[in-house]
Amino acid sequence: EVQLLESGGGLVQPGGSLRLSCAASGFTFSSYTMTWVRQAPGKGLEWVSAISGGGGTTYAADSVKGRFTISRDNSKNTLYLQMNSLRAEDTAIYYCAKADLDFWTPRYGYWGQGALVTVSS
Amino acid sequence: QSVLTQPPSASGTPGQRVTISCSGSSSNIGSTTVNWYQQLPGTAPTLLMYNNNQRPSGVPDRFSGSKSGTSASLAISGLQSEDEADYYCAAWDDSPSGHVVFGGGTKLTVL
Repeated sequence: EVQLLESGGGLVQPGGSLRLSCAASGFTFSSYTMTWVRQAPGKGLEWVSAISGGGGTTYAADSVKGRFTISRDNSKNTLYLQMNSLRAEDTAIYYCAKADLDFWTPRYGYWGQGALVTVSS
Repeated sequence: QSVLTQPPSASGTPGQRVTISCSGSSSNIGSTTVNWYQQLPGTAPTLLMYNNNQRPSGVPDRFSGSKSGTSASLAISGLQSEDEADYYCAAWDDSPSGHVVFGGGTKLTVL
């Protein structure tokens, strides 16, 4: 059974940093592109970033480029999102999701339960 | 403002058929496939439709999808109370650098 479990969310001050983790199980982690999608309170879904199975290729939304870094440790079956220079508008639930195919097909068959990140002073 | 445009709300009575539209452009829907997600209140999204009109296992055939040009649609027939949820379309966008775009979401109310 595929499971994705996010952790690392919490309250952080504007300008601060936070690292989210997503522990994966139930599939060959290194074979799949993984992605982060966020949802601000009461708002819609926003794609944040994606990384290839081997970790060599990444994409990021313009809204987080230069501030957020996606990475993965295939030996630990874990996906990460390093978030720096956080802003109030980054407040959201952050979901990790497994891509069924590739970067260019946003077909995410499995999602985690989400981690809440609140940026506030 | 989302790159993919969806109506913010839709509604229907049990048993009715409702359609949710998703409008994009040549850099996204016009050049790739569309996927749809259902998000029940307080839960993570789930994949509802992929490759424009393919249902993952477990999704009832009351749900159907289509695409024409730069627009896509999700249809729900035989509407049921448990269909009340938010629905999102998603596609890859080529411009200016590659990224995934979601529609703004449509809140479906079953009256």
